[in-house]
Amino acid sequence: EVQLVESGGGLVQPGGSLRLSCVASGFTFSNFWMSWVRRAPGKGLEWVANIKEDGNEKNYVDSVKGRFVISRDNAKNSVYLQLNSLRAEDTALYYCARDGLWPDVGGFDHWGQGSLVTVSS
Amino acid sequence: DIVMTQSPDSLAVSLGERATINCKSSQSVLYSSDNKNHLSWYQQKPGQPPKLLIYWASTRQSGVPDRFSGSGSGTDFTLTITSLQAEDVAVYYCQQYHSGPFTFGQGTKLEI
Repeated sequence: EVQLVESGGGLVQPGGSLRLSCVASGFTFSNFWMSWVRRAPGKGLEWVANIKEDGNEKNYVDSVKGRFVISRDNAKNSVYLQLNSLRAEDTALYYCARDGLWPDVGGFDHWGQGSLVTVSS
Repeated sequence: DIVMTQSPDSLAVSLGERATINCKSSQSVLYSSDNKNHLSWYQQKPGQPPKLLIYWASTRQSGVPDRFSGSGSGTDFTLTITSLQAEDVAVYYCQQYHSGPFTFGQGTKLEI
């Protein structure tokens, strides 16, 4: 069974940093792109970043470029999101998601339960 | 960036009736290299993560009931739920994965 388990969220002051982790199990982690998606309170879903199977390609939404860094450790079946220079508008539930294996499956076919990040003084 | 616009924002449908949710992209999400529409639909219930329902615009994810179907091509897409069940109450999102950033629609809240 595919499982994605996030951790690392919490309350942080504006300008602070956090590192989110997502541990995967139940599949060959190194075969899949991985993404982070967030949902702010009362808002919809927003894709944040993704990373290629080998970690050599990373993409970000403009609003987090230069502040967030996605990385992965295939030996540990883990993907990470380093959140720096946090702002109030980064407050959200952050989900780790597995990208579908093209061409067979598209979209994001498995999601974690999410890790809550609250940015407030 | 590709902007995804869903309609309506909310929808109330009687049990057993049909629900239709529309999604329009600001540019085509049909990929010429594979002739596939890079469009997916998700269902999100309160307190749960999103669940993939449909990908490639019309392919149902394994385990999803066949009352859920997706259609459309290019820039206009539809999610149809036939014979609505009580457990279908949720927020539904479309998403394009044609080009980054992989944008979502604003969501459609479906109620009984």
